[in-house]
Amino acid sequence: AQSVAQPEDQVNVAEGNPLTVKCTYSVSGNPYLFWYVQYPNRGLQFLLKYITGDNLVKGSYGFEAEFNKSQTSFHLKKPSALVSDSALYFCAVRDLRINYGQNFVFGPGTRLSVLP
Amino acid sequence: EAGVTQFPSHSVIEKGQTVTLRCDPISGHDNLYWYRRVMGKEIKFLLHFVKESKQDESGMPNNRFLAERTGGTYSTLKVQPAELEDSGVYFCASSQTGGASTDTQYFGPGTRLTVL
Repeated sequence: AQSVAQPEDQVNVAEGNPLTVKCTYSVSGNPYLFWYVQYPNRGLQFLLKYITGDNLVKGSYGFEAEFNKSQTSFHLKKPSALVSDSALYFCAVRDLRINYGQNFVFGPGTRLSVLP
Repeated sequence: EAGVTQFPSHSVIEKGQTVTLRCDPISGHDNLYWYRRVMGKEIKFLLHFVKESKQDESGMPNNRFLAERTGGTYSTLKVQPAELEDSGVYFCASSQTGGASTDTQYFGPGTRLTVL
């Protein structure tokens, strides 16, 4: 069965420091991987996705993520955190074998707090 | 371009009552999805419409939940009768025509449902 793990419920980082939000996945086939962010009282906003090609994917707001097939990971990173990055981050995967990859399987979310 | 909208933003009802949630997808998006996040756990898929047809409803928890998308535009999700465990945030998402597994899904702000 496909699954997504985000091992940290909470990540705290000082403003200006690099940040990493971890994600590991388990699917039977090739994964399509996504990161979404939810700011307070807002819907989920798309950050970036990995479909194929370069393992390093760049997305919105200066975020990037690296696909690592051997470690089945897709960690979200940013070189210099901003206080405004504080939000709830969700990693999601699609498995092409389930409904042709239409549905997301989400991780439980990681709350990022960037301290001034 | 307007994003995905959901109504209401919050709903508080008593056990046994009926609630209807509405989702308006991005104009021109044939694919519409419902998800929910219960008690701070992971976001789970409920069902997927392609236009007015249900493509996949494997995530619907039981027959107290009824989703419709008459005319292939907005969708409603009715819970009747509501139970305590139905409390959570219900998200709607849409994606463009074709609905390829690489498509980005755009999410609404969610409806927070509280069943007392």
